[in-house]
Amino acid sequence: EAGVAQSPRYKIIEKRQSVAFWCNPISGHATLYWYQQILGQGPKLLIQFQNNGVVDDSQLPKDRFSAERLKGVDSTLKIQPAKLEDSAVYLCASSSLAGINEQFFGPGTRLTVL
Amino acid sequence: AQSVTQPDIHITVSEGASLELRCNYSYGATPYLFWYVQSPGQGLQLLLKYFSGDTLVQGIKGFEAEFKRSQSSFNLRKPSVHWSDAAEYFCAVGAPAAGNKLTFGGGTRVLVKP
Repeated sequence: EAGVAQSPRYKIIEKRQSVAFWCNPISGHATLYWYQQILGQGPKLLIQFQNNGVVDDSQLPKDRFSAERLKGVDSTLKIQPAKLEDSAVYLCASSSLAGINEQFFGPGTRLTVL
Repeated sequence: AQSVTQPDIHITVSEGASLELRCNYSYGATPYLFWYVQSPGQGLQLLLKYFSGDTLVQGIKGFEAEFKRSQSSFNLRKPSVHWSDAAEYFCAVGAPAAGNKLTFGGGTRVLVKP
């Protein structure tokens, strides 16, 4: 079974530029999560989708971050414009629909904002 | 709101010695608890999880954890550490009433001395 795929793995941009990350969850997983992991900290949930609907985006900085999962499968997270403090690893995870289940994580995208 | 505290930022242990990582949580109901491991440049891998039942939980790679409700703790242990156990370890609490949202602790980095 293929795992969660993310691309790119690394991205370096200058502040005020825009950037997009892509995630393809495990086949059949209805729930998709985006986490932000700042160096030295644990992951923090940014947004959670169930199929193509948003379950929780309470910690997403909506003035600059956006995410979509149009067909209920893969997802894109965008930052526009980026700030220095957005430098972090962006992790995507997925889980199956029923109950409390393990979240499977992708390798992450390491973003550096200069 | 739930929270997780991992009091030890770094732990150094000799290969073959035992390891214990501390985790304290705060959650208003019965918690769902997880331990994840993250190797450099990798995503998070689930070591073990507690939902209910036996408070001593066995996981992969020889790890175990014990849920102690009276102490609000879920400490991770391994009797004999291998060099490959050097990584960062994250404790997390799941909120079933909030779409299985995970809240992570700050992590404990484990260094293994030969």
